[in-house]
Parts: sequence; structure tokens; C-alpha cells
Amino acid sequence: KAGVTQTPRYLIKTRGQQVTLSCSPISGHRSVSWYQQTPGQGLQFLFEYFSETQRNKGNFPGRFSGRQFSNSRSEMNVSTLELGDSALYLCASSPKSQRGYGYTFGSGTRLTVV
Amino acid sequence: AQSVTQLDSQVPVFEEAPVELRCNYSSSVSVYLFWYVQYPNQGLQLLLKYLSGSTLVKGINGFEAEFNKSQTSFHLRKPSVHISDTAEYFCAVSVNDYKLSFGAGTTVTVRA
Repeated sequence: KAGVTQTPRYLIKTRGQQVTLSCSPISGHRSVSWYQQTPGQGLQFLFEYFSETQRNKGNFPGRFSGRQFSNSRSEMNVSTLELGDSALYLCASSPKSQRGYGYTFGSGTRLTVV
Repeated sequence: AQSVTQLDSQVPVFEEAPVELRCNYSSSVSVYLFWYVQYPNQGLQLLLKYLSGSTLVKGINGFEAEFNKSQTSFHLRKPSVHISDTAEYFCAVSVNDYKLSFGAGTTVTVRA
């Protein structure tokens, strides 16, 4: 069974640009969550999607957005990039059919803003 | 709101020695508890989880953790570590099953 796939693995962008990251969840998983990992702030929850609807959002500015498609694949977008957006962005999926299943994480996308 | 405190930021340990990583949480309601491991340049891998029932939970790679409700702790242990256990370990809690709140992480360095 394929795991959670995130593309691309690495990205370098310039301040002010926008970026789109992609996540393909495990087959059959309907919930996709995104996390930002930085050395200073650690792992922080960005948002969660379930059946194409954003159910929950973390404490991030509106420049961070996402969406989920009918096949459960998800994208997150960051507009007007700032240096502080440099981070590892992790996607995680869950079937949501079992309470407490937890999440399976992808390998992440390493975003560097210069 | 829930929070997680990992009491040790770095734990050096010799190969074949035991290791314990400490995790305390705060929450006013029942929680699910998780331990994840992150190897360099990789995502997070689930080691084990506590949902309910037996307070001693066994996970992958010989790890186990004990849930202590009165002390609000969920410490991770391994009786004998290997070089390959060198990694960062994260404790996490989930209250309503939609998001994980992580601790700051513990870096384990195993030396020969």
C-alpha cells in the first residue's frame, strides 16, 4: 500500500512569490492535515480537510490556504512568501473511520525562501 | 487547550543501554497519546499510541510507553538501543481526533 506522497520534496522560492505544495493521501484516507515544522516553533498545525471541506484551521495568516479534491488529494498554497515561511511542510492522512487512528505522515516538502 | 511538554531536549545514550524519554501533557478532557519518530530528512513515523485500556503500550522497534493518568505522563522507553535509534522523537496528544499537538521533541543520539 503506497504511503502519503508529497511533491515536490524540495523547493526554493523568492520572497513575494507564491507556492503550491501537493499531497496524495493513502488510498481510502479521507482526512488530510498539514503541519509546518521549523526549528524555532516546532510542529504546528495548519489545517485539516475532510471530504473537500476545511474543518479546522490553525493559527496562521490568511496567506496560507489549502484545498482538497474529490479524490482526497490536497494542495496547500502560500502567497506572498516571507523568509519566515522557510520550513518543512508535512502532510498527514487518516481514514477517520476509526477513532484514535492517528495520522500517517509523508516525507514532507522542504521550502526555502530566499 | 491541550499542551505537551517533553522534559528532555537531548538524550545521549550508549548502544545497548536503556533509554527513557519523558512526556507530560495537560488537558481538561480525555486524550489520545502518540509517540512519533523522525529520522533525518524524513517525515514522522508512528511508534505507538494510547487510546484506552491497558496503560502499557507496545510499539514498533522494541519501544513501549506507559500512560499515567494521575501524573498526566506518557513516557517512552526502550530497554536496549541501537545506533539506528538515533533520531528525534515527538510526543503528541489529540483531544477531538482532528489535530495533533506536539511537544518540542527529544533528540536521541546513540553512541557506540
